[in-house]
Amino acid sequence: DTGVSQDPRHKITKRGQNVTFRCDPISEHNRLYWYRQTLGQGPEFLTYFQNEAQLEKSRLLSDRFSAERPKGSFSTLEIQRTEQGDSAMYLCASSLTGDSNEQYFGPGTRLTVT
Amino acid sequence: AQSVAQPEDQVNVAEGNPLTVKCTYSVSGNPYLFWYVQYPNRGLQFLLKYITGDNLVKGSYGFEAEFNKSQTSFHLKKPSALVSDSALYFCAVRDDPPMRFGAGTRLTVKP
Repeated sequence: DTGVSQDPRHKITKRGQNVTFRCDPISEHNRLYWYRQTLGQGPEFLTYFQNEAQLEKSRLLSDRFSAERPKGSFSTLEIQRTEQGDSAMYLCASSLTGDSNEQYFGPGTRLTVT
Repeated sequence: AQSVAQPEDQVNVAEGNPLTVKCTYSVSGNPYLFWYVQYPNRGLQFLLKYITGDNLVKGSYGFEAEFNKSQTSFHLKKPSALVSDSALYFCAVRDDPPMRFGAGTRLTVKP
């Protein structure tokens, strides 16, 4: 499979715990994006990387959230001290450089905070 | 900032009939517009995009979209709907470079 992959697909955690999600982009794509989607809404941008550099972070990305992309390949998104409001689908996407290029999305990680 | 709006939460059509899913945009400069489809418990799948050129853009699965600059619209269309087209559809605009998505329109095609 040469598409974007995400792991895990589902995560149930208790409030206050830390969680980490992984995204593997399409191999030749140098841009990688994280979005969050809640029920009944469109995806909302969180952050993006060009190669290993994190170039933009949304105001939605509180200081409990951190993302990395070491070596410009896979990326991880960590949420510390999870809250019930963090329950959502976390989507990863990748693209080639260039604003006309479409983004390709992974299947998402559904997080449930109890 | 760039934004899009999808004025309809739900669109219902009968199989075989034409379908339209509406999208309007608000941008500064030339817009890069996209349509994506989402099936249950799945990520988004790219359907088509408008960058420049011909106002009628053709995409995957028989879908097309018409870019209308005077009406600031980018409506998704299909001449003959299939039951399998039932899904959630999102319009999006490129915002240097993240995507800004509409709230989505749920399309239901009835047999």
